[in-house]
Amino acid sequence: DAGVTQSPTHLIKTRGQQVTLRCSPKSGHDTVSWYQQALGQGPQFIFQYYEEEERQRGNFPDRFSGHQFPNYSSELNVNALLLGDSALYLCASSSRTWGQFKGEAFFGQGTRLTVV
Amino acid sequence: AQTVTQSQPEMSVQEAETVTLSCTYDTSESDYYLFWYKQPPSRQMILVIRQEAYKQQNATENRFSVNFQKAAKSFSLKISDSQLGDAAMYFCAYRRPTGANSKLTFGKGITLSVRP
Repeated sequence: DAGVTQSPTHLIKTRGQQVTLRCSPKSGHDTVSWYQQALGQGPQFIFQYYEEEERQRGNFPDRFSGHQFPNYSSELNVNALLLGDSALYLCASSSRTWGQFKGEAFFGQGTRLTVV
Repeated sequence: AQTVTQSQPEMSVQEAETVTLSCTYDTSESDYYLFWYKQPPSRQMILVIRQEAYKQQNATENRFSVNFQKAAKSFSLKISDSQLGDAAMYFCAYRRPTGANSKLTFGKGITLSVRP
């Protein structure tokens, strides 16, 4: 089991550009959540996808958008990048339907985004 | 809204000694989960231990145990026989039971160093 995989691991973008981050969930998981973790801070919830729809959203502007595909993988898109978007972006997958602890999150290693 | 507070930004422990990391939270819910996650320099968030709010018994996982005080809304992590590999950031997190509101709410984290 490959667990949760994210790509790319690092990337550098210029202010105003757009970026797409990708996440493949753990096998058997149907729900993907995205978190932003600024340096030295705890992760902040961005949004959650289930059945290809955004089900819950944190306090992030519309520049942050996402998508979930039929195979449960997900993308996070950020438009009009700001310097303040520099952070570690974590993807977590979970299952709503099975497991002793339904909904328990498994995390990927994250994508380090630097905006210059 | 739920909040999680970790007031100690850093702690240090001697190898083989015991250390306790503190966490308080605020919620109006009666049913929820609490977690401690470890984040080493590799960045991947690793679940250390979980506690279900309806269980009075404190959770234990090998050298890791919690002191869950529901009335006081306190959830501390005790690490016994500390090892060099325990050095990492530790995050306390809260989650409601699975469903539409199953996002994780994290504290700001605490950096634990282990002295050889």
